[in-house]
Amino acid sequence: GAGVSQSPSNKVTEKGKDVELRCDPISGHTALYWYRQSLGQGLEFLIYFQGNSAPDKSGLPSDRFSAERTGGSVSTLTIQRTQQEDSAVYLCASSLRGLGVDGYTFGSGTRLTVV
Amino acid sequence: KQEVTQIPAALSVPEGENLVLNCSFTDSAIYNLQWFRQDPGKGLTSLLLIQSSQREQTSGRLNASLDKSSGRSTLYIAASQPGDSATYLCAVYPNFGNEKLTFGTGTRLTIIP
Repeated sequence: GAGVSQSPSNKVTEKGKDVELRCDPISGHTALYWYRQSLGQGLEFLIYFQGNSAPDKSGLPSDRFSAERTGGSVSTLTIQRTQQEDSAVYLCASSLRGLGVDGYTFGSGTRLTVV
Repeated sequence: KQEVTQIPAALSVPEGENLVLNCSFTDSAIYNLQWFRQDPGKGLTSLLLIQSSQREQTSGRLNASLDKSSGRSTLYIAASQPGDSATYLCAVYPNFGNEKLTFGTGTRLTIIP
């Protein structure tokens, strides 16, 4: 696609429910990233994919968070048993080759509110 | 641990003025640096990417410079317009192959018509 697409744009969920956030990167981009931006906080790295594999999952805050990428394209970030502290904007980005060479293109984000 | 600071945190200027936004990083051994803008409730829009071998990049009214030895980058905006109002973020790539960007704290810019 022309840009990085994320869905849904907004999600309100009850505490304890599971949520899935979707990211559709730019076609042909091999690298895909998830970041989180909490209110008043900076951007926090969550996970990085190169193709379908995730060489760096070190930013996932707990084992309630998981992500996968299929077909070297779409990625899904899953948060199980959501907590109020999970409320944030979840941003996805893609890069043609990764490795810091080409720069990132970000999507518009999914605003998650846990009530 | 790399820390990226942006000063000022907020800036208001009249339309038409030229302005400079600052980005400082504590570890000068960075690979690349990228400037973004973020509009309220939106994602990040890439403005300029400065490769490690470059000292500056230009796009329209924007010019970004990079001085790795002093740990600084500046974003120069010429002839500011109300549409430039946004939060501006710089982000550093620590080294080749390390995919974790470290983002600055951001500067919230308001251009007064």
